[in-house]
Amino acid sequence: AQSVTQLDSQVPVFEEAPVELRCNYSSSVSVYLFWYVQYPNQGLQLLLKYLSGSTLVKGINGFEAEFNKSQTSFHLRKPSVHISDTAEYFCAVSDTGSFQKLVFGTGTRLLVSP
Amino acid sequence: GAVVSQHPSRVICKSGTSVKIECRSLDFQATTMFWYRQFPKKSLMLMATSNEGSKATYEQGVEKDKFLINHASLTLSTLTVTSAHPEDSSFYICSAPTGTGETQYFGPGTRLLVL
Repeated sequence: AQSVTQLDSQVPVFEEAPVELRCNYSSSVSVYLFWYVQYPNQGLQLLLKYLSGSTLVKGINGFEAEFNKSQTSFHLRKPSVHISDTAEYFCAVSDTGSFQKLVFGTGTRLLVSP
Repeated sequence: GAVVSQHPSRVICKSGTSVKIECRSLDFQATTMFWYRQFPKKSLMLMATSNEGSKATYEQGVEKDKFLINHASLTLSTLTVTSAHPEDSSFYICSAPTGTGETQYFGPGTRLLVL
């Protein structure tokens, strides 16, 4: 069975500072990896995804993530955050065999302050 | 990107009544849709997979007689919470895969409050 660990439940950061949100997964099979963002009382919006190919994936809003197979990680980064990036961020994994069934981490709340 | 809508966005109902939530794929067809439940400050838990033209597949621990799912067309899936109780209060989100299916698009969610 797959699982996703987001160790940081909340990450406070100042505006224009860099940020990294950590995600580790466990799976015995090949995986697809995703980062979603959720604004208050809204559904999830896809930030980026890793399916295959280059391990560095660029997404929307200036975010990027790097797939590290040896460390089973898929950390999300942004070099300079904005106030508007304040939201909940979810890492998710699916195996390439049953790729439609996503397993989510518990989420990391990014709090950007001026 | 693809658009998935949900209706209603918020619903308040009395205990014992049934509530229907609709999930629509607006600009693509979806033979499969997914229903998730999200508790406050928690992650999304997959409840069931909705399959167009056939029965839904429920995750372990989800009562299929309580959470009725109907996937009547390629663009519509409905979740009916039957005989709702306060513990059913939650945020319900649907999603649908598009293209080759690796990516899911999520609806905006439905906030259910059972009094």
